[in-house]
Amino acid sequence: ETGVTQTPRHLVMGMTNKKSLKCEQHLGHNAMYWYKQSAKKPLELMFVYSLEERVENNSVPSRFSPECPNSSHLFLHLHTLQPEDSALYLCASSLQRGGSDTQYFGPGTRLTVL
Amino acid sequence: KNEVEQSPQNLTAQEGEFITINCSYSVGISALHWLQQHPGGGIVSLFMLSSGKKKHGRLIATINIQEKHSSLHITASHPRDSAVYICAVSEPNTDKLIFGTGTRLQVFP
Repeated sequence: ETGVTQTPRHLVMGMTNKKSLKCEQHLGHNAMYWYKQSAKKPLELMFVYSLEERVENNSVPSRFSPECPNSSHLFLHLHTLQPEDSALYLCASSLQRGGSDTQYFGPGTRLTVL
Repeated sequence: KNEVEQSPQNLTAQEGEFITINCSYSVGISALHWLQQHPGGGIVSLFMLSSGKKKHGRLIATINIQEKHSSLHITASHPRDSAVYICAVSEPNTDKLIFGTGTRLQVFP
């Protein structure tokens, strides 16, 4: 499989649950990103990893915990979320970090927090 | 006021029409991106440009750095062009893209 994949595609969880989102890229890229897209709001950058090192944490609450075990995989661990965290979570990758490189997006995980 | 503004927010067209979507930004940038998001969420990068004009098939993107403005044009529009088109800019020396709220385009046969 090529490109950027995300699992699961849909997730419903309670406020006390713990779940994880997974992202995988097969493009040989060195940078990976997590974005949040809420209804009627612009995409918001959450985290940036470059060569498995977190280089940006855009003031994200600690109930979101990213993990990048290698340059091909990125996780977003979720715990004690709030209903306002319901959104589309998108993963992306680029060859190098920085906004001047084309980013390739995964299909997203549609998260609903009850 | 958002740092990246798009207009119009919503756009409907008949198949075959010429379409223009506008993007204005208020910050210094190293590059501007046009993205396409289909229903269901997947996002595809259409263009990345820092000056001038780029063309890919029926799509044309232009940018005027002095005026801090970019346009995305679609020639001979088709129902499969129906999507949300998103403008994003990158500031120099950052990893962050600043996104507009998108323009929802519907092309009817």
